[in-house]
Amino acid sequence: QKEVEQDPGPLSVPEGAIVSLNCTYSNSAFQYFMWYRQYSRKGPELLMYTYSSGNKEDGRFTAQVDKSSKYISLFIRDSQPSDSATYLCAMKRDTGTASKLTFGTGTRLQVTL
Amino acid sequence: GAVVSQHPSRVICKSGTSVKIECRSLDFQATTMFWYRQFPKQSLMLMATSNEGSKATYEQGVEKDKFLINHASLTLSTLTVTSAHPEDSSFYICSAPSAGTGSGFNEKLFFGSGTQLSVL
Repeated sequence: QKEVEQDPGPLSVPEGAIVSLNCTYSNSAFQYFMWYRQYSRKGPELLMYTYSSGNKEDGRFTAQVDKSSKYISLFIRDSQPSDSATYLCAMKRDTGTASKLTFGTGTRLQVTL
Repeated sequence: GAVVSQHPSRVICKSGTSVKIECRSLDFQATTMFWYRQFPKQSLMLMATSNEGSKATYEQGVEKDKFLINHASLTLSTLTVTSAHPEDSSFYICSAPSAGTGSGFNEKLFFGSGTQLSVL
């Protein structure tokens, strides 16, 4: 069983839709959670990070963490064609420079006009 | 945000040759950098942790002699794929942590733009 599970998609939605992206994890030691956006053949870009259960909002993006269920989500409101990319969840056990990230496989999102 | 520059963006080489990939932190110092490999439609897999002034730490299953890492300064780490073979063809990405803000989270990872290696 993978430590982090993420549906690879692709997920296709019309412009303006609300997008829900999800990851589950098996290791309760993960305490810090991140969402990255990766355009094709580019490095990932950090979108959101959080370390506590609950919601964190930043513009059109909301990150949600439920540690009791080992489940995290990223919501995108009013989706735009420019949001079309692969979204990777990532998590780590602790802070510290040497702490490693464990990534999900990424969900490919396509926002259509 | 912090900038990590990776070069080259694309390499095509013959089997048996060696390829060097550079990763630079442009506006911050990084004592640690991470090297990842990503196959199509798969996640980023950590290959090794590069430590300035000391030996790199490799993940299980990654050949040290195959993937040579040098972190000679606080802003530069290099990955050399030695005697490359077609199975080494992949997308290689480096990242570096930069001190961030927010309690309980004292760094963010910034990624280079990646290097697509194609070995013929």
